Amino acid sequence: AQTVTQSQPEMSVQEAETVTLSCTYDTSENNYYLFWYKQPPSRQMILVIRQEAYKQQNATENRFSVNFQKAAKSFSLKISDSQLGDTAMYFCAFMKRTGGGSQGNLIFGKGTKLSVKP
Amino acid sequence: DTAVSQTPKYLVTQMGNDKSIKCEQNLGHDTMYWYKQDSKKFLKIMFSYNNKELIINETVPNRFSPKSPDKAHLNLHINSLELGDSAVYFCASSQGTGDYRMNTEAFFGQGTRLTVV
Repeated sequence: AQTVTQSQPEMSVQEAETVTLSCTYDTSENNYYLFWYKQPPSRQMILVIRQEAYKQQNATENRFSVNFQKAAKSFSLKISDSQLGDTAMYFCAFMKRTGGGSQGNLIFGKGTKLSVKP
Repeated sequence: DTAVSQTPKYLVTQMGNDKSIKCEQNLGHDTMYWYKQDSKKFLKIMFSYNNKELIINETVPNRFSPKSPDKAHLNLHINSLELGDSAVYFCASSQGTGDYRMNTEAFFGQGTRLTVV
């Protein structure tokens, strides 16, 4: 069974600074996807960034980037130039690739509560 | 315009009642899910449907019954509600294709906060 671990329950960062959220996972699968989702106080789950395991290049989306270390099963999220609107719960998630047209489900970590301070 | 919509957003009900949460997606996705988020914010899969067929059924009590009348809808019916059922329930959808390089992200509804009193 796959597991996802986020070892930082809470973190804080000053506005405009950089913060890194940690995530490790355990799987025997070779083909899978990793995601970071953001859940602000509004409760909406918002995709931040996605990484396909077969890709060695780290994914980036504007101020968000990941450090994907497949051998170490590590998938950290770096937020640069933090903004007040980045305050939210951040969830790391794993999904294994399934065959045919079906999709696997997401397995989530317990989340990291990030506070961006002015 | 909402991609994945759930109704209601809030539901307060007494123990022992039966309630339903509805979910609809207009993204043309083949796969839909129900996730439960507990009071500690932990998210866990409950059910997954692909083209109206149940493909994942985690260890969820029989009191929970999903129903998918078509691939755009996945409703959740809960019988004999218990205090422990209080949580936020999220519906989600994603597109599965034979090519694993295609878009695989899940789109979530806004959640339904269920409170059982």
